[in-house]
Amino acid sequence: DAGVTQSPTHLIKTRGQQVTLRCSPKSGHDTVSWYQQALGQGPQFIFQYYEEEERQRGNFPDRFSGHQFPNYSSELNVNALLLGDSALYLCASSSRSKGFQPQHFGDGTRLSIL
Amino acid sequence: AQSVSQHNHHVILSEAASLELGCNYSYGGTVNLFWYVQYPGQHLQLLLKYFSGDPLVKGIKGFEAEFIKSKFSFNLRKPSVQWSDTAEYFCAVSLHNDYKLSFGAGTTVTVRA
Repeated sequence: DAGVTQSPTHLIKTRGQQVTLRCSPKSGHDTVSWYQQALGQGPQFIFQYYEEEERQRGNFPDRFSGHQFPNYSSELNVNALLLGDSALYLCASSSRSKGFQPQHFGDGTRLSIL
Repeated sequence: AQSVSQHNHHVILSEAASLELGCNYSYGGTVNLFWYVQYPGQHLQLLLKYFSGDPLVKGIKGFEAEFIKSKFSFNLRKPSVQWSDTAEYFCAVSLHNDYKLSFGAGTTVTVRA
């Protein structure tokens, strides 16, 4: 049973560029959340998608946007990249249809901004 | 503002020593509490969770945690650590039935053989 998969594993971009990160949730899961983990810190909630809609959002600017597809996979887009966007981006999935359940995390995408 | 505090940034232990990691949160209302572990090179994994009921929660790999509502705490314990427990440990909190997790800064645990 596949867990949460994220791609790419690593990415290097320059300031001002745009990036798209991808996530496939664990089989049977329908809810995807994205987190940003800066070096030496705990993950920070960016937003959550369920039924192809953004349901909750953390304290992140509009440069961070997302999408969820009918197959429950999700994308995180970041525009106008800043040096401070360098971080590990984590995707987590869960299943609302099975009631409240803990989230499962992927390995993350390491984004470096030069 | 809601926050999660982990008291120790880095803990170094010898094998067979006991481990206790502190976690305090500042949330009003009913909360769900979690401890996640990240082993070197691996993804975050759930160690244990508290939703309701018995405040003493047992998780995987011999870990347990106690929810003390009056102290807003959810401390993690293990009576006897092994070298393989070397990892980073994160406490996380969400409001009841809320999927948004708020994490502490993490505690790095190094177990010396």
